[in-house]
Amino acid sequence: NAGVTQTPKFQVLKTGQSMTLQCAQDMNHEYMSWYRQDPGMGLRLIHYSVGAGITDQGEVPNGYNVSRSTTEDFPLRLLSAAPSQTSVYFCASRPDRTYYGYTFGSGTRLTVV
Amino acid sequence: ELKVEQNPLFLSMQEGKNYTIYCNYSTTSDRLYWYRQDPGKSLESLFVLLSNGAVKQEGRLMASLDTKARLSTLHITAAVHDLSATYFCAVDISGSEKLVFGKGMKLTVNP
Repeated sequence: NAGVTQTPKFQVLKTGQSMTLQCAQDMNHEYMSWYRQDPGMGLRLIHYSVGAGITDQGEVPNGYNVSRSTTEDFPLRLLSAAPSQTSVYFCASRPDRTYYGYTFGSGTRLTVV
Repeated sequence: ELKVEQNPLFLSMQEGKNYTIYCNYSTTSDRLYWYRQDPGKSLESLFVLLSNGAVKQEGRLMASLDTKARLSTLHITAAVHDLSATYFCAVDISGSEKLVFGKGMKLTVNP
């Protein structure tokens, strides 16, 4: 099992550009989430999904879109990048709410200039 | 709105010493999680605490949960340098998949 795989690991964007951060898991987990981590802020939830075709907003959803067409994939789209979106982005997944913590991917470090 | 507070946010301690760190949260929750993060790395799950009075131990770390006080503690016994990392607690908003994290506690264990 590869676990939770995020690509790319690093990315530099210009203001106004769009891009998609990829997240894939091979553990057949139902629940997947995207977080951003900023210094001194902990991790903040952007969007989450409880299964294919079901997504919902987290704490900081503005400027981001998600979709969940398959159980395995949960891409995060930046519509028009802004410097405020410079951050480290983590994708995470878990099988259900009952017993497990989330498994996190290795992160994508995004810089918007 | 669920708020999760950790204290202290920074801790420098000597090897061999004991210490307890705290995680408070503001509203009713089903469960509490502790994670470890090394610099530049991802988060590693340490503990999942599911009920009032839950206690879990792994090596030199022991976590407990008091849902009535809305408090979790992470106790460090006889610290070693390898425990140096940032520790996060996180809490579910009851009935949802929304996980709210504390700001993290950066632990440095000095020889």
